[in-house]
Amino acid sequence: GESVGLHLPTLSVQEGDNSIINCAYSNSASDYFIWYKQESGKGPQFIIDIRSNMDKRQGQRVTVLLNKTVKHLSLQIAATQPGDSAVYFCAENMQGGSEKLVFGKGTKLTVNP
Amino acid sequence: DGGITQSPKYLFRKEGQNVTLSCEQNLNHDAMYWYRQDPGQGLRLIYYSQIVNDFQKGDIAEGYSVSREKKESFPLTVTSAQKNPTAFYLCASSTRTFSTEAFFGQGTRLTVV
Repeated sequence: GESVGLHLPTLSVQEGDNSIINCAYSNSASDYFIWYKQESGKGPQFIIDIRSNMDKRQGQRVTVLLNKTVKHLSLQIAATQPGDSAVYFCAENMQGGSEKLVFGKGTKLTVNP
Repeated sequence: DGGITQSPKYLFRKEGQNVTLSCEQNLNHDAMYWYRQDPGQGLRLIYYSQIVNDFQKGDIAEGYSVSREKKESFPLTVTSAQKNPTAFYLCASSTRTFSTEAFFGQGTRLTVV
């Protein structure tokens, strides 16, 4: 989910477990969604994207699920590793009027060894 | 190696001064963007450019200016009119505006002293 103010949603998992990070998007007309990973002090790195004509897309150890009915996006990370610890952002291509990419506030994932 | 480079990594500015942040890409991307990130927040769009010699205001353009004289370069000037300039600034580029993955630079942390 989304946070208010400075407090990011956090998810803490054990190494080797699967992680699921959720994101609610706002515009039913959005047709493109991206997940980014951001490590402290660095720029965001692209993880995976999905277009609205798909429900699921898989990458290496990651899966993105799109539920357009409830405007929900999730990122699943299999066999989570300590190197996966970061803040994860979802972004939607907001359509209607002025097109733009809108980022959520992020979820902080901590992987415990 | 292809990529997007921001400089400097850290920048200190006295109140009342203008400063320019550099962003260069050799990915042959048409679209370039500037985002601002504040602690615990998502990314907010300052300006974007879809093509050389053209740029558009984003959500928080006040107090900022840009130019796009070359495809590879999209410098951002933080002017003295920006009331709260201390932030992490991220530049990105993509093949098509807002509808393909954006590649980010490593960011410039600007601090007003």
